[in-house]
Amino acid sequence: AQTVTQSQPEMSVQEAETVTLSCTYDTSENNYYLFWYKQPPSRQMILVIRQEAYKQQNATENRFSVNFQKAAKSFSLKISDSQLGDTAMYFCAFMKPAGLNTGTASKLTFGTGTRLQVTL
Amino acid sequence: ETGVTQSPTHLIKTRGQQVTLRCSSQSGHNTVSWYQQALGQGPQFIFQYYREEENGRGNFPPRFSGLQFPNYSSELNVNALELDDSALYLCASSQTGTWYNSPLHFGNGTRLTVT
Repeated sequence: AQTVTQSQPEMSVQEAETVTLSCTYDTSENNYYLFWYKQPPSRQMILVIRQEAYKQQNATENRFSVNFQKAAKSFSLKISDSQLGDTAMYFCAFMKPAGLNTGTASKLTFGTGTRLQVTL
Repeated sequence: ETGVTQSPTHLIKTRGQQVTLRCSSQSGHNTVSWYQQALGQGPQFIFQYYREEENGRGNFPPRFSGLQFPNYSSELNVNALELDDSALYLCASSQTGTWYNSPLHFGNGTRLTVT
């Protein structure tokens, strides 16, 4: 079974600064996907960024980028130019793709989350 | 396009009762997954439905059951409620075959409190 570990329960960053959230995972799979989701007080999980394990190039989405180290099983999220609207819970998640009608779902395995507070 | 909608937003039940939570998929999505998020934890996978059949289940007892309807909407039913069932229940939909490019879209969840 896969496990995802987020060792930083809470973090704080000043507006316009850069912050890095850590995530490690454990799996014996070679083909998988990694995600960062954001959960604001509205409770909706919002996809921030995704990474395919077979791609060596780190994914980037505007102010968000990842540092994917496959051998170390590490997947950190860097938020540049932090904004007040970035305040939320951030969850790292792992997915092993599976086929339909196989009884095995393509399910997300989440970490316990990091609460990020962006301050003025 | 409409997003994933869940109802009700909040619910209070007594231990031993039964509850039904509802989810309408995002337009064009035919796969629905349910997750349970206990306070201070990450969501945990309950099960997934595709073409009205269960397609994978997490480590949840049989008193957690579900349905998917022809319009791809879904229900989560929980029988014999226990205090530990108190959580946020999240529904997520996706489109078959494009789940990576259009991955899970989540609703705002139903907050269930069992007293």
